[in-house]
Amino acid sequence: NAGVTQTPKFQVLKTGQSMTLQCAQDMNHEYMSWYRQDPGMGLRLIHYSVGAGITDQGEVPNGYNVSRSTTEDFPLRLLSAAPSQTSVYFCASSYSGTGDLPLHFGNGTRLTVT
Amino acid sequence: LAKTTQPISMDSYEGQEVNITCSHNNIATNDYITWYQQFPSQGPRFIIQGYKTKVTNEVASLFIPADRKSSTLSLPRVSLSDTAVYYCLVGDIRNNRKLIWGLGTSLAVNP
Repeated sequence: NAGVTQTPKFQVLKTGQSMTLQCAQDMNHEYMSWYRQDPGMGLRLIHYSVGAGITDQGEVPNGYNVSRSTTEDFPLRLLSAAPSQTSVYFCASSYSGTGDLPLHFGNGTRLTVT
Repeated sequence: LAKTTQPISMDSYEGQEVNITCSHNNIATNDYITWYQQFPSQGPRFIIQGYKTKVTNEVASLFIPADRKSSTLSLPRVSLSDTAVYYCLVGDIRNNRKLIWGLGTSLAVNP
């Protein structure tokens, strides 16, 4: 019962570098999403997907790309990291067939951009 | 999109009942009300969910009035381990995938 697995747990980047945050779930969930959490800001939705091959933007999509080639994986890409992207990133998944099933979260990736 | 409003922080003592109220005046017909708990360095964890009236599980109760414009999470007999941030989330993943989170309520349980 792995649930939602995020890697890495911690990452330090220099401004301008690129990287991919990995998210995998083993619950066959159609819905997957990425959030960032900053002090005093709560959770803000970056991108989400309702199934393989389907993605859409959330509240704060600028600077991030996603793709969904399989049901299990939903990577988040930072093409050119900026200090404003320093944050804790959470991946979450759920069934989307009905509206009443809760989100399952990973334990996050703490990213620092210097 | 339903916006939620919760108290920023609350204090309690071990053994007391804690009630956290969330306001969601523009809740939509299909929206569910879900509460999550978050400890430091962890992702939010599902506590309880409801649509109307009252729901109870092994850890909490959720009270929802008939107009559904607010909800109250009730934690019976809290312990130190209940110190966490509690989020109220209103939405329906099936029809509205852009779920909007509030700032949460930071609950401190004192000995």
